[in-house]
Amino acid sequence: GNSVTQMEGPVTLSEEAFLTINCTYTATGYPSLFWYVQYPGEGLQLLLKATKADDKGSNKGFEATYRKETTSFHLEKGSVQVSDSAVYFCALRMGGKLIFGQGTELSVKP
Amino acid sequence: EAQVTQNPRYLITVTGKKLTVTCSQNMNHEYMSWYRQDPGLGLRQIYYSMNVEVTDKGDVPEGYKVSRKEKRNFPLILESPSPNQTSLYFCASSPTGGRGGQPQHFGDGTRLSIL
Repeated sequence: GNSVTQMEGPVTLSEEAFLTINCTYTATGYPSLFWYVQYPGEGLQLLLKATKADDKGSNKGFEATYRKETTSFHLEKGSVQVSDSAVYFCALRMGGKLIFGQGTELSVKP
Repeated sequence: EAQVTQNPRYLITVTGKKLTVTCSQNMNHEYMSWYRQDPGLGLRQIYYSMNVEVTDKGDVPEGYKVSRKEKRNFPLILESPSPNQTSLYFCASSPTGGRGGQPQHFGDGTRLSIL
């Protein structure tokens, strides 16, 4: 079946550090891939997406590239800020079904 | 303002007492879906609806019912709630369900506690 695995958290970084959150997936077919972010007490917001192999999604300094050969969609940001502290979810979509990873909590210290 | 609205936001109830969580969207979206969020498990899909009168099971449908009688509403029904349904629930919608790449708009969540 389809599944998403992300690196476990929590991840604690200092401000301006480089961020990588790993995400790998298994899927039959060609899913669309997403990163969502959840701030404390809120619902999920779309951070970025990619719909086919080699697509790069980007938003607010975050980037992720759809790698079909390694079935990965790792999230990166060159310089994190305290305001980036949140829980990040990798997800894949196949038609009506959306499958999430378990989430990675990021804490950025000043 | 485009939004997905869930009610109630918080509910504490007892085992076996039927409850309904409402979800409404004002974006004329065809697709709607329900998820539950549990620590360490991420979000898991309960049910989804591709359009009016079309619903399908997600990964964890047991103990839940849904209906889609009109496009804007997609209520989640717990006929006989049990403590293992204590969770944070999210409703979401997107323009359509069939085409990839469409992100979902999420509601703010409903925290259910079943005693």
